[in-house]
Amino acid sequence: EAAVTQSPRNKVAVTGGKVTLSCNQTNNHNNMYWYRQDTGHGLRLIHYSYGAGSTEKGDIPDGYKASRPSQENFSLILELATPSQTSVYFCASGGGAQAETLYFGSGTRLTVL
Amino acid sequence: QQKVQQSPESLSVPEGGMASFNCTSSDRNFQYFWWYRQHSGEGPKALMSIFSDGDKKEGRFTAHLNKASLHVSLHIRDSQPSDSALYFCAATGDSNYQLIWGSGTKLIIKP
Repeated sequence: EAAVTQSPRNKVAVTGGKVTLSCNQTNNHNNMYWYRQDTGHGLRLIHYSYGAGSTEKGDIPDGYKASRPSQENFSLILELATPSQTSVYFCASGGGAQAETLYFGSGTRLTVL
Repeated sequence: QQKVQQSPESLSVPEGGMASFNCTSSDRNFQYFWWYRQHSGEGPKALMSIFSDGDKKEGRFTAHLNKASLHVSLHIRDSQPSDSALYFCAATGDSNYQLIWGSGTKLIIKP
C-alpha cells in the first residue's frame, strides 16, 4: 500500500519560532497536500503541490509556506508560529486529474505555546 | 458556506447494528465522491469511492449516490467495535480535482 511518512509525530514550539513539518512519500505521486484538522472544521487544505518545484495555495494558506524540493518530499513551514496554529497536521499524496485516492500520513500534533 | 454537509455529527450504534451516514453537496459540478475513515491517532484512510448513480457494495459497506439530489450515503451493516471512528465524506468535480471535505461524523459502536 501507498506510504506517506510524516515527521515529527509531535512538536512543541514557542510563539514566534520557526517550525518545519516534513513529509515523505514513496508512491511516486505527483500531487501532495498539507491539511490541518481541528475539531468542528474537518480537514482544511493549507498548501498543495503538483510536482517537484511547485507549490499552490489552498484554502487557508496565511501564516504557512510550503516547499517541494523533490517528488518524494513536501514540507510545511511556519516562519513565525502562533498559538492559533496549534493543530494536527496531515500530509497526503495522490488525487489529481484521474480522481485518485488520497493516502495520508499519521499526522503531526503541533502545540504552539 | 460549506459545500459538503454531513449528518449526523455523531452516531452511537450497538454492535451488530446498522450505521448510516449522509452527505449533501451544494455544488452540481461535483462528480466524484469518497468516504474516508479515520481511527483515533491515525490519518484518514479511503473506504470507498462512488462515481455513478446507484449503489456500490464492498463487504459490509454500501454507498449510495444520487447526483440529481446531490446526496451520497454510507451504510455499514453488522457494525463492529473496530468501526468506531470518524467518517468523512469528500467530493470533487472541478478541473483541479481538489477534494472538498465534510466536517465528519463520529461513530461509536457499543459492545
